[in-house]
Formats: sequence, structure tokens, C-alpha cells
Amino acid sequence: QSVLTQPPSASGTPGQRVTISCSGSSSNIGSNHVYWYQQLPGTAPKLLIYRNNQRPSGVPDRFSVSKSGTSASLAISGLRSEDEADYYCAAWDDSLSGYFMFGGGTKLTV
Amino acid sequence: QVQLQESGPGLVKPSETLSLTCIVSGGSISNYYWSWIRQPAGKGLEWLGRIHTSGSTNYNPSLKSRLTMSVDTSKNQFSLKLSSVTAADTALYYCARVAYGDSEMWGQGTLVTVSS
Repeated sequence: QSVLTQPPSASGTPGQRVTISCSGSSSNIGSNHVYWYQQLPGTAPKLLIYRNNQRPSGVPDRFSVSKSGTSASLAISGLRSEDEADYYCAAWDDSLSGYFMFGGGTKLTV
Repeated sequence: QVQLQESGPGLVKPSETLSLTCIVSGGSISNYYWSWIRQPAGKGLEWLGRIHTSGSTNYNPSLKSRLTMSVDTSKNQFSLKLSSVTAADTALYYCARVAYGDSEMWGQGTLVTVSS
């Protein structure tokens, strides 16, 4: 069971804006960077956002994030059919000896 | 361009040890943390642990008692051993360099099935 909680599903129509939430705690999102991944069917996850709000080269600015306290959200604007994928948040957790964790994932349907 | 490639048996018997190796090509393995991540079919991602080329490790607390990671800088590769496997360990296993921003990278993944 993931300590980072995401809704299992989200949906939107082309052109819309959709948000995906990720809820954690003070030992992970509350004190560390949040990462977001996109996983298309049959492929390895692709990093979308790192260090809370940085985008790797090639990731369009349609993808943005917000973070407040122990929660974060990924927003996708100008939704496209190719955005249909699974999305995962992730963060380092400082508890125990420290470990990286993923949220349970959100299936986005366009 | 740096590439990661997982290798190892695709079938492991219950109670035995799963062993995988990740070969890093196109660049040096040194001075990074290297992670293992798995994904059961139709399910989410689970971070297993990471190892630095200095030998320092961090493991997922839920798997720590069964996990061992090692690194061989002379061969530019790192490895995973997961002991006492059960059917619940059946998954696609990825090696990756995560949480490094623009220099993050993943292997294509290798399917490991635990079955007698």
C-alpha cells in the first residue's frame, strides 16, 4: 500500500485541463522534492517533473505542478489524446533509513 | 548516450533467490545512485532500493530483509538479489537512475516470473 495517495483514475476531454493529486506526509512530500512520471502502455516510466516543478528537456509546459504542505498536484492543460497514460507521483521519505516511494498511480483517460 | 540493460533469469522457483544485473553502457557508472524498481502486471511502481558506486545502499523497508544490492564499477554494472521469492515477486523489474532530473534514465525492464 502506497504512502503517497493518488486517485486511481481521472478523465478529461481534448483541450481541457485536468489535475491529479498526490497526498503524502511530513516525512515525504512535506520535506522533500516531488517527482511526477508518465507511463504509456508497454513502456518504461518517463520523468515529467522533478524537484517539484522542473521539467526535463522535451516535456511541454502543458504539464505543471503545485505543492502545498504534504500534498502536490499535477496539472495537464490543453489535454491531448496522447496524454492518456498512467501518472505516478514520487518522493523521498526521510523515515527509517530513507527510501524513495511512488504513489499508487492514476490512470488518465482522454 | 547512456543506456541501461537488465539481464537475468526470466523464471525463478519459489523460495529461491532472484538475481538480476544491470549493465550501464555509453557512460561511467561512477558517482551515482542506481535503483531497482519493479512493477507487477497491471499494478503500480515499487522502488526496491538503490546503491551508490561507493557501496552505500538504501532499501525499501518492506523488502530490506530479503534484498542485497551490489555494484561492480570495473564492469560498469550493478546487481540485485532478492531472496525467498514467492509469486508476489513476479513483476517487470527495471534498473534506473532516478531523482537526477534531466539525467534520469531507465532500462527497458525485464520480466521475472516466480513459479515452480
